[in-house]
Amino acid sequence: EPEVTQTPSHQVTQMGQEVILRCVPISNHLYFYWYRQILGQKVEFLVSFYNNEISEKSEIFDDQFSVERPDGSNFTLKIRSTKLEDSAMYFCASSDPTMNTEAFFGQGTRLTVV
Amino acid sequence: GENVEQHPSTLSVQEGDSAVIKCTYSDSASNYFPWYKQELGKRPQLIIDIRSNVGEKKDQRIAVTLNKTAKHFSLHITETQPEDSAVYFCAAGLTDSWGKFQFGAGTQVVVTP
Repeated sequence: EPEVTQTPSHQVTQMGQEVILRCVPISNHLYFYWYRQILGQKVEFLVSFYNNEISEKSEIFDDQFSVERPDGSNFTLKIRSTKLEDSAMYFCASSDPTMNTEAFFGQGTRLTVV
Repeated sequence: GENVEQHPSTLSVQEGDSAVIKCTYSDSASNYFPWYKQELGKRPQLIIDIRSNVGEKKDQRIAVTLNKTAKHFSLHITETQPEDSAVYFCAAGLTDSWGKFQFGAGTQVVVTP
């Protein structure tokens, strides 16, 4: 079964540093998403991306965040200047609504800001 | 915006019994309601979903019901097994905003043998 893959599985970074979280969505999917889950809390939508641009974003997704699809396979989330409160599990997901499929989640990247 | 409330936060059931998790949503425009299961340390995985044109959907031991008027939907797991132990999240969204779901806070289900 095709999977969404994310790297790294765990990233530790110092406050104020930039981090890039990487995702390889399922190859024939058209929509890509980032979610985050602070430990013990609900999964929160960050941003959706379609046709090489952001289609929707939440209030969490401020100017510190950006997304990019640098090539035909990768989808990245960049946090420019990390804060302690950015510590969370970040999930990438992808879907192809034209095929009526679900949003498939990756295994997540645990970001720890120290 | 959409707000999803989920209850209970924890649910302990004996193996073989049924489990019911309830969610309410606030935005009457929401028309797609997926349920995700997340085992410890793993990714959320879709287990069942329902659209607003259907009142009930069943898949083996799992069923979901939707009451659009009351804006609530429920997950029913029958004949629970230890492997059903996980955190279950409900979500609500729009079929034309695929993936932009508002999730509930989750229900920790523990099935004891």
